[in-house]
Amino acid sequence: GAGVSQSPSNKVTEKGKDVELRCDPISGHTALYWYRQSLGQGLEFLIYFQGNSAPDKSGLPSDRFSAERTGGSVSTLTIQRTQQEDSAVYLCASSLAEGQSQHFGDGTRLSIL
Amino acid sequence: DQQVKQNSPSLSVQEGRISILNCDYTNSMFDYFLWYKKYPAEGPTFLISISSIKDKNEDGRFTVFLNKSAKHLSLHIVPSQPGDSAVYFCAASAPRGGADGLTFGKGTHLIIQP
Repeated sequence: GAGVSQSPSNKVTEKGKDVELRCDPISGHTALYWYRQSLGQGLEFLIYFQGNSAPDKSGLPSDRFSAERTGGSVSTLTIQRTQQEDSAVYLCASSLAEGQSQHFGDGTRLSIL
Repeated sequence: DQQVKQNSPSLSVQEGRISILNCDYTNSMFDYFLWYKKYPAEGPTFLISISSIKDKNEDGRFTVFLNKSAKHLSLHIVPSQPGDSAVYFCAASAPRGGADGLTFGKGTHLIIQP
């Protein structure tokens, strides 16, 4: 499809394991965003990429979180040594350029046991 | 401290009537506001936006009003239809744009009664 694609759609893992979440933005979109939505909360901004670079990583919740984007396209969000509080829906969005409206994927529902 | 607040977790409206969803913000640096609609197990879908230089933007059944002095915006849906039942998120951005992402409210669950 032509929309933002995220995989996996669901991930259940044990506490302490590492997980990698993937986002395929809309083709041609230079800006890419990661958000997280915990139960009963709004979307929490994590990180933004313009091209392959992320100018500000301060939104990442802890140093267990990292993200990268290669080739100006696919992005991965990695969580090391997962904790139960990491359980949430992780959403990726892309936009044609910074400041344009963002198009969201359906998210990855992450459950840490 | 929440910078974007949607104080009504849910709202029930009869089909055909007007739905009014409210949003308040505290950060005076916000200059662009958006409404997103979200169905269960799907990502948010962009609905309508407004720049701080305007006080109203209309798109079909959807109208967003911005009152900068009150730091308040509202989304009007008229007439309301069953397919409008969803969670609606208010979001805002500041001039740093993407670098700060969007700041979202917690959402209002709109239920359209037949």
